[in-house]
Amino acid sequence: ILNVEQSPQSLHVQEGDSTNFTCSFPSSNFYALHWYRWETAKSPEALFVMTLNGDEKKKGRISATLNTKEGYSYLYIKGSQPEDSATYLCALRSGSSNTGKLIFGQGTTLQVKP
Amino acid sequence: NAGVMQNPRHLVRRRGQEARLRCSPMKGHSHVYWYRQLPEEGLKFMVYLQKENIIDESGMPKERFSAEFPKEGPSILRIQQVVRGDSAAYFCASSPPNSGENTEAFFGQGTRLTVV
Repeated sequence: ILNVEQSPQSLHVQEGDSTNFTCSFPSSNFYALHWYRWETAKSPEALFVMTLNGDEKKKGRISATLNTKEGYSYLYIKGSQPEDSATYLCALRSGSSNTGKLIFGQGTTLQVKP
Repeated sequence: NAGVMQNPRHLVRRRGQEARLRCSPMKGHSHVYWYRQLPEEGLKFMVYLQKENIIDESGMPKERFSAEFPKEGPSILRIQQVVRGDSAAYFCASSPPNSGENTEAFFGQGTRLTVV
């Protein structure tokens, strides 16, 4: 059974703080690692799809890195804003297909206080 | 291009009734996935379908649950004889065909099923 772990489970920061959280996954049979942002009462929104060891991706103040050999990915948010408050999910796609199922972690819930 | 549409958004069923959840994928998407979020838990994979075919149903409970994605029309997740433990949020996602290794899955807003 594939297990994707995220830490911490929740995080409270002040506006302007930079923060990061971790996604750990089994490194064998890796295909891709997805990050999603999920606001309450909305649908999960794709942030990044990462496939190569050493990948770094950036979207505004949010960036992510990937280490497939040791099985982890970091998500960074620089200068957190209240609108960044959401649950951040990572999901592993393994095997050889780009359409196989995604296995999700439990998420990290970020609360940014103004 | 409308996103992934799920309906109904909220569904209340009495124990023993049937629940039918619908998912219309994004235009041009031929892959549909169903996920379930139980209270206080994360998203759990249930089933992956392409048009008229079930590709992976490794996350589906063996009894009472079924899914289809017909040639025409939305994908349907059907739960027969619902029990209180089926109360959860059910999410559908869709992906386009053959988009390479960076294929994204786009999610709907979910159907919240409450069994009373």
